Amino acid sequence: GQQLNQSPQSMFIQEGEDVSMNCTSSSIFNTWLWYKQDPGEGPVLLIALYKAGELTSNGRLTAQFGITRKDSFLNISASIPSDVGIYFCAGPNAGGTSYGKLTFGQGTILTVHP
Amino acid sequence: NAGVTQTPKFQVLKTGQSMTLQCAQDMNHEYMSWYRQDPGMGLRLIHYSVGAGITDQGEVPNGYNVSRSTTEDFPLRLLSAAPSQTSVYFCASSYSSPGSTDTQYFGPGTRLTVL
Repeated sequence: GQQLNQSPQSMFIQEGEDVSMNCTSSSIFNTWLWYKQDPGEGPVLLIALYKAGELTSNGRLTAQFGITRKDSFLNISASIPSDVGIYFCAGPNAGGTSYGKLTFGQGTILTVHP
Repeated sequence: NAGVTQTPKFQVLKTGQSMTLQCAQDMNHEYMSWYRQDPGMGLRLIHYSVGAGITDQGEVPNGYNVSRSTTEDFPLRLLSAAPSQTSVYFCASSYSSPGSTDTQYFGPGTRLTVL
């Protein structure tokens, strides 16, 4: 099946630093989704990307849909302690509509030191 | 709206026991899914449903059954629990297909331990 590889697996940063993480696939995705999971909670959608080359922002978060359709990037500027959590990339499985099927990356664990 | 609710929040089972994880949504969403989350593996799809009466297998369906008799409810049944099913289980729903322009909402999760 399709696989999404996220890197880095974990990050330890100081408050105020910028963060970059990415997600790559061996196959093409037509949609890229970025989720954040707070400790003890379910994932929450941060940003959705629908077009190759698209750059979308949500507050301090910016995500890009790679031109090759095989990768996506998420950047967080000026990190704050509440950015702590696990960040997942995800995309609908191939074959037309996803029919409820999403593939998730392994996640990037972000720790922010005050 | 309560969104997506899951019960129980925590459960401990013995090997061989059966149980049902409950999931309900009050947003009139057609699409519902069950995922399991294991350390370092992200979320993996167990089963999903595109509407009442319609279900299909995901990536890791073995050992689990689902049914969708109503739009609101999508229970997940463990037939004979095994230690390998120790995990955190998430239910999710969306108005239309995830990856479309509609957001998929996740429940708070059920933390299951099988001894």
